[in-house]
Amino acid sequence: EAQVTQNPRYLITVTGKKLTVTCSQNMNHEYMSWYRQDPGLGLRQIYYSMNVEVTDKGDVPEGYKVSRKEKRNFPLILESPSPNQTSLYFCASKKAGTGDEKLFFGSGTQLSVL
Amino acid sequence: AQSVAQPEDQVNVAEGNPLTVKCTYSVSGNPYLFWYVQYPNRGLQFLLKYITGDNLVKGSYGFEAEFNKSQTSFHLKKPSALVSDSALYFCAVRGSGGYNKLIFGAGTRLAVHP
Repeated sequence: EAQVTQNPRYLITVTGKKLTVTCSQNMNHEYMSWYRQDPGLGLRQIYYSMNVEVTDKGDVPEGYKVSRKEKRNFPLILESPSPNQTSLYFCASKKAGTGDEKLFFGSGTQLSVL
Repeated sequence: AQSVAQPEDQVNVAEGNPLTVKCTYSVSGNPYLFWYVQYPNRGLQFLLKYITGDNLVKGSYGFEAEFNKSQTSFHLKKPSALVSDSALYFCAVRGSGGYNKLIFGAGTRLAVHP
């Protein structure tokens, strides 16, 4: 089954404790992206990647890191989480270069930073 | 700058009645417009898109959307609502020059009552 898999589904942590949210897709998509969803603000893009070893900042990259060492994986790293990073996070992927804009989303990661 | 507005936080409709979820946009160049739906505890799912061509676009689950260039709108519609349509709906836009920049609206919660 074609899917984007995020882990963990729920995460509670404390300020300053490094964490990683994993994202993997099995559709051989070139493009991957991370979003955060906050009430009243919709989805805002954190980082995106056009292909392996190619990443770029979205609208709200501060406090986040990403890497794209393999095509299928795009982990989101919070080196020193803060309470304002408490949010619902989504990873998404799509095929690049075809004009098909259909994004496939993971089920989300609810992060709480205490 | 690109932007998307969903003027209603929530739309309430009785089952069997027609529904409309509103979206207006601002973008330079020709717009690429999308609707996504989010069911509880799930990631977003693609519903439909407008790239070019016929102003009335048909999508999944009986939904359709009407592109109106003069009013810069892309309202989501369905002739007969189902209780199972209850979900959070997001409109999204990107300009023809912004391949990686998909801007999402804040979302509209649709509640269909039996």
